[in-house]
Formats: sequence, structure tokens, C-alpha cells
Amino acid sequence: DVKVTQSSRYLVKRTGEKVFLECVQDMDHENMFWYRQDPGLGLRLIYFSYDVKMKEKGDIPEGYSVSREKKERFSLILESASTNQTSMYLCATTPGVGSPLHFGNGTRLTVT
Amino acid sequence: GESVGLHLPTLSVQEGDNSIINCAYSNSASDYFIWYKQESGKGPQFIIDIRSNMDKRQGQRVTVLLNKTVKHLSLQIAATQPGDSAVYFCAEILTSGTYKYIFGTGTRLKVLA
Repeated sequence: DVKVTQSSRYLVKRTGEKVFLECVQDMDHENMFWYRQDPGLGLRLIYFSYDVKMKEKGDIPEGYSVSREKKERFSLILESASTNQTSMYLCATTPGVGSPLHFGNGTRLTVT
Repeated sequence: GESVGLHLPTLSVQEGDNSIINCAYSNSASDYFIWYKQESGKGPQFIIDIRSNMDKRQGQRVTVLLNKTVKHLSLQIAATQPGDSAVYFCAEILTSGTYKYIFGTGTRLKVLA
């Protein structure tokens, strides 16, 4: 089974802090994604990466950046956290186009 | 913009009955569809998928039906069990150009004992 591990289940941060969310996968998948999930809005794509050091903006990249230095690890960075970034963050991987996404269990981030 | 879903917010079903969860999609170019289950406190879990060259696919206790004419997707769960209680949502995949997964907002399934 694919294992996608997000380092924190819950995080509480203050406005203006720099926040790192980490995701590690064990299946050698090329593609990794970061989504946020908010009630009534579904999953919205923040960034994705199709290879090491490659990244593409998703639908809502503002206020976020990403890093993929190794194939198995994809990090989401909130440069200066704001209260409107309070959300559930989900990391996902897939081996390629036309395959299901495999999700981690999410990080619930609260920015106060 | 593109959207997936005309979900009922909540569906309540008696234990042992069959459940039907519906989803509408807007882009006729979509060629791959997935159903996910998300339990409280967990990430979405893959249930079943279907490609646009099929109109039905069966798994263990689940069946997905695809009607391309009306751009409609449904998930049928046979003999619904308490462990089926969760949020279910569909995903529509546009595999031409930059591939993109578009998710519906979900339907909460409640199984009544």
C-alpha cells in the first residue's frame, strides 16, 4: 500500500509566523500535490510537483511556496501565516496521469 | 468555472439498505473519474474509479455508474454498514494538457442502526 505521511496532524501558529508542512511518500511516485480542504469548498490545489525541483502553481498558490529537494519529500511553506490560511492541508501522490491520488491524513492548521 | 458535484449535503440510510450517492460534472472532455471516502480525522481514501470508455464498474459492495450523456456519476453501496458512514466525493480528471483533478464538495453518508 502507498503510504503518504504528513508530519503533523495538528498545528497552531501565530499570524506572521513561517510555517512548514512536510509530506513524505514511500512509493517512488513522480507526482506530489498539496491541497487545502475547507467546508463547502472541496479540495483546492495549491501546488504540485511532477519531479524533483519542479513545481507548478495550482489554483490558489498565493501566500504559499513549496520545496521538493528529494523525490519522496514535498514541503509546503507558508511564508507569513495569516488567519485565512486556517484549514486542513492534504498532501497527495500519484505515479502518473490517469491514476488515483493517494492522500495523507492531513494537517489541521490553525492560525491565531 | 468548472465544477463537480450536485451533492446532497447529507444522505441518511438504514443499515442494510443500498445507498446511492450522485455527482454531476460539467466538462465533457473529462475522461477519468474517481470516488473517494473520507472518514472523520482522516485523509480521503480511494474507493473505485472508472474511465470514460466504460459506463459501469463494480468493486466489493460498490458500483460506479457513468452516464456521459447527462454528465452524471453515481456510487452505489450495497448493504450499507455502519463503517460506511463518511463523506464521499467524486473527482473528475482532465487528462488532456496539464492534468487536473477536480473534486466535488462531498456528501455525508449517515448509516442508521
